Amino acid sequence: GENVEQHPSTLSVQEGDSAVIKCTYSDSASNYFPWYKQELGKRPQLIIDIRSNVGEKKDQRIAVTLNKTAKHFSLHITETQPEDSAVYFCAASKMNYGQNFVFGPGTRLSVLP
Amino acid sequence: NAGVTQTPKFQVLKTGQSMTLQCAQDMNHNSMYWYRQDPGMGLRLIYYSASEGTTDKGEVPNGYNVSRLNKREFSLRLESAAPSQTSVYFCASSPGGNTIYFGEGSWLTVV
Repeated sequence: GENVEQHPSTLSVQEGDSAVIKCTYSDSASNYFPWYKQELGKRPQLIIDIRSNVGEKKDQRIAVTLNKTAKHFSLHITETQPEDSAVYFCAASKMNYGQNFVFGPGTRLSVLP
Repeated sequence: NAGVTQTPKFQVLKTGQSMTLQCAQDMNHNSMYWYRQDPGMGLRLIYYSASEGTTDKGEVPNGYNVSRLNKREFSLRLESAAPSQTSVYFCASSPGGNTIYFGEGSWLTVV
């Protein structure tokens, strides 16, 4: 089955700097890769996603890149702000009926003022 | 439109007790999921249901049972709770071909 690894497990950046989180997946049939942000005590919430027919997607300060050949994808956050501090999870899935989502172990991002 | 609603939000059980976590979604989604979240372990799939009437085991199904009661509701049952089942449980749903949406979580402690 699918296995998703995520690095780093913790990341501290200064406010205004960029943050990058990387994930690798094992199943070449996976074709949908969402990223979730989870604040303390809250539910995970989707922040951006990418499908395998696209190499990059951007939404304001966040972007995701996908390298299908290498089977890895990355989350990029620019101009970080204190409210970006949270745990971020990547996931891999096959887009079909009853798809199963496999999550990475998470990255705790701390944005220091 | 409440999205995904799960109850209870907090529960303390004694070892060996049973309980059912309830989940309902009002988004007309076909697929529903139960995940558990433990520190440093991310979200691990317990069971999922691709459609009404079907259920499949996920990564960590032992000690749990599920019921897809109808399209809206997907319950998770612990028949004989163990301390290792202390966790945060998230129900989620998906329309298929798209991302999943989580409930607010249920904090379960087994003593």
